[in-house]
Amino acid sequence: EAGVVQSPRYKIIEKKQPVAFWCNPISGHNTLYWYRQNLGQGPELLIRYENEEAVDDSQLPKDRFSAERLKGVDSTLKIQPAELGDSAVYLCASSLGNRLGQVFFGPGTRLTVL
Amino acid sequence: QKEVEQDPGPLSVPEGAIVSLNCTYSNSAFQYFMWYRQYSRKGPELLMYTYSSGNKEDGRFTAQVDKSSKYISLFIRDSQPSDSATYLCATYNQGGKLIFGQGTELSVKP
Repeated sequence: EAGVVQSPRYKIIEKKQPVAFWCNPISGHNTLYWYRQNLGQGPELLIRYENEEAVDDSQLPKDRFSAERLKGVDSTLKIQPAELGDSAVYLCASSLGNRLGQVFFGPGTRLTVL
Repeated sequence: QKEVEQDPGPLSVPEGAIVSLNCTYSNSAFQYFMWYRQYSRKGPELLMYTYSSGNKEDGRFTAQVDKSSKYISLFIRDSQPSDSATYLCATYNQGGKLIFGQGTELSVKP
């Protein structure tokens, strides 16, 4: 069974540039998460989708971050414009419904903003 | 106060040692506790999952929850160099959000 797929794996951009990350969850998983992990820290939730609906986006900086999950499968996370402080690893994860503890993570996209 | 706190380490042990990794949490209502392992430049992978108090064993790994002191632990017996990774404790807060500790970086030296 394929795991969570993310692309790109690495991205280096200049500040004020836009950037987008893509995620394909595990087949059949209707819950999708975007997390941000700063260096030396644990992941922090940005947004959670149940199918196509964003059910928790309270930690998403909406002035510059946006996300979408069309057709309840793939998802994209966008930052526009990027700031230096956005340098981090962006992790996508998925789970089957609300199965507690059974959250599976992708390899992440490592973003560096110069 | 953070909802989950974890000593970041780093922790370095010789091969074969018993490793103890620990976290504390703030709210006695939390019931589900997870340990994730994260290798360098990889995403976290679920290692163990426990509910409420008590111990859970899986091979060389034992997860322990002490609800009276709001303390969770992961023990690794006969540690191997392949166990070198960052270990993250996690729980669900009352809003149903999966929250993580800071992670403890473990290095097992041959």
